[in-house]
Amino acid sequence: SQKIEQNSEALNIQEGKTATLTCNYTNYSPAYLQWYRQDPGRGPVFLLLIRENEKEKRKERLKVTFDTTLKQSLFHITASQPADSATYLCAPNFGNEKLTFGTGTRLTIIP
Amino acid sequence: GAVVSQHPSWVICKSGTSVKIECRSLDFQATTMFWYRQFPKQSLMLMATSNEGSKATYEQGVEKDKFLINHASLTLSTLTVTSAHPEDSSFYICSASAGIYNSPLHFGNGTRLTVT
Repeated sequence: SQKIEQNSEALNIQEGKTATLTCNYTNYSPAYLQWYRQDPGRGPVFLLLIRENEKEKRKERLKVTFDTTLKQSLFHITASQPADSATYLCAPNFGNEKLTFGTGTRLTIIP
Repeated sequence: GAVVSQHPSWVICKSGTSVKIECRSLDFQATTMFWYRQFPKQSLMLMATSNEGSKATYEQGVEKDKFLINHASLTLSTLTVTSAHPEDSSFYICSASAGIYNSPLHFGNGTRLTVT
């Protein structure tokens, strides 16, 4: 069965540095992959979507890459700020409406 | 942007009672709504997919008689936890889709259920 892993469970980054989060999947490549942010006690909020034929997507300080050979997506936050502290979830879609969420990475930006 | 309202945000109930959670899409028509459950420090686990006007599709291991889902209109889906027990205590989150392939999901802010 399909497995989605986000490394690592928790990540601490100094303010101003770039935070890089990984999302690895097994077996089939997703048609597209989404990244969400979740704050404690809240529902996830959509950030970026990248399709299988796209290598990279950017939105302000955020950048997502998608490598179907490595079966991996990377999520970067440049010039990180304490307000970026949250849990980040990757969610590949394998061709239907359902999204399967990764385990999540809890990011803390240290002032 | 698309807004999904979930109510209540938290509820405490006694064991054996039923609890209803509502999920509304406020500014768009949601052909499909999804219900998730999330335990502390864990990811979202999909419980069921509901399409307006038809029966919900439950994920493996989710008891459909315990978690009743109704999607009576294009803007409202409800999840009823029947005969709740302490092990049902969790964070329940709904999301809504306008039915456009590969468009983002819009999530409610979740309902914290505590069964005593």
